[in-house]
Amino acid sequence: DTAVSQTPKYLVTQMGNDKSIKCEQNLGHDTMYWYKQDSKKFLKIMFSYNNKELIINETVPNRFSPKSPDKAHLNLHINSLELGDSAVYFCASSQGAESLYSGNTIYFGEGSWLTVV
Amino acid sequence: DQQVKQNSPSLSVQEGRISILNCDYTNSMFDYFLWYKKYPAEGPTFLISISSIKDKNEDGRFTVFLNKSAKHLSLHIVPSQPGDSAVYFCAARTGSARQLTFGSGTQLTVLP
Repeated sequence: DTAVSQTPKYLVTQMGNDKSIKCEQNLGHDTMYWYKQDSKKFLKIMFSYNNKELIINETVPNRFSPKSPDKAHLNLHINSLELGDSAVYFCASSQGAESLYSGNTIYFGEGSWLTVV
Repeated sequence: DQQVKQNSPSLSVQEGRISILNCDYTNSMFDYFLWYKKYPAEGPTFLISISSIKDKNEDGRFTVFLNKSAKHLSLHIVPSQPGDSAVYFCAARTGSARQLTFGSGTQLTVLP
C-alpha cells in the first residue's frame, strides 16, 4: 500500500524524445513536489503544487512541465530530452506547504531513474 | 553554491559503536534542520529534526546536535546496527522558504 507511487521506475530513452513520469499519492495531502537528484547526489526541488496550484517553480528548463489534474496527482512531462536530464526524479507530498515548517511530513516516492542515451 | 554540505561521502562503523554524520551549512537564515535516511531503490524517509532554538534533539538511538555559531549539525547513532546502513541526507529550510535544501548525502555502512 504505497503512499507515494511513481511510474515508471526505470526509463531509458533517446535524446529528443518526450516522456512523462506519473506520480500519485494516497495520503490525502494537498501539496506535491518534484525533486531531482543529480549526478552529484544533491536533491534539488523542481516544482511544488498546493491544491493543484503551482507554488514553487525553481529554475528548470521550459522543457519540463508539471501537470496536476487533481491534488492526488502530479505528473512531470519532459520534452526534447537531453543527455543532462539523466537523473533520478523523486515525487513527494506533504499536508500543506506550511507543513514544511515542521519538515517531518514530506513523504517521498521511490524515485524514477531516467537515462537519456 | 551549495548551502548545505556533507563533506564525507561515506562512513564505515563497526556494529555497536557510535556513528557520527556531519553536516555544514552556509545560510544563517536556516532555522530548521532535518535528517533523512535513504535505502537503495527507495525514497528518502524522515528520521529526525531540530529547530534552531535548540541545540539537541534525541529520539531513541538517534540524536541530532546543532552548533549555530559553527553552522554545523551532526547526527549520532548509538549503538549502530547493520540495518542503519543507508544514505543519510541533511536538509534545512528558512522561515520564508517553502522547500528544503538538501546536502549530497553520506553513505553509512555498519559492519557486523
